[in-house]
Amino acid sequence: GAVVSQHPSRVICKSGTSVKIECRSLDFQATTMFWYRQFPKQSLMLMATSNEGSKATYEQGVEKDKFLINHASLTLSTLTVTSAHPEDSSFYICSARLMASYNEQFFGPGTRLTVL
Amino acid sequence: GQNIDQPTEMTATEGAIVQINCTYQTSGFNGLFWYQQHAGEAPTFLSYNVLDGLEEKGRFSSFLSRSKGYSYLLLKELQMKDSASYLCAVSDSNYQLIWGAGTKLIIKP
Repeated sequence: GAVVSQHPSRVICKSGTSVKIECRSLDFQATTMFWYRQFPKQSLMLMATSNEGSKATYEQGVEKDKFLINHASLTLSTLTVTSAHPEDSSFYICSARLMASYNEQFFGPGTRLTVL
Repeated sequence: GQNIDQPTEMTATEGAIVQINCTYQTSGFNGLFWYQQHAGEAPTFLSYNVLDGLEEKGRFSSFLSRSKGYSYLLLKELQMKDSASYLCAVSDSNYQLIWGAGTKLIIKP
């Protein structure tokens, strides 16, 4: 149980285009989903916390107009990188927290974004 | 501020034992997690400690001392597949995970 999927796993796009990444909890309902970014050889950096039915809470330094997050249901959250630039190239990982548990986060497999 | 410290890199020999330490200073404490992350993959859950003491799970054990703000992950009978980064994360008063930078473990034959 507690499986989280992400789609796509890899994406290559041209500078200036927008990319949407989906995060789904497959066998549980997640009131809260988290979006992380990880640059090579660095640790996870939390970008935003997404609660179902409400606006996402962004970490300091993360542009909410550039990284659009939608959490429309208890099993789906999306991250859209708008007008992507090469510096947005990174590994994007989502995680989901069970309704009944405040602590453990279950991670998706990640999405490797490369902006040319 | 909130801070998680762990060594950047460690090297160990196949079949041996290695201990990866983690010290933390956070606003509140609701448990400490250890995750394993292979290169290019997402983290996978290893252990969770919220009370003091040792939690054993197969070849991996995790220890917590809340008074000292200290934890360690102990890996026994090391295998080549254990080569990975090991991330320490603390759940703070808001149940937000505060992440360490990770320890890259290199296993040599």
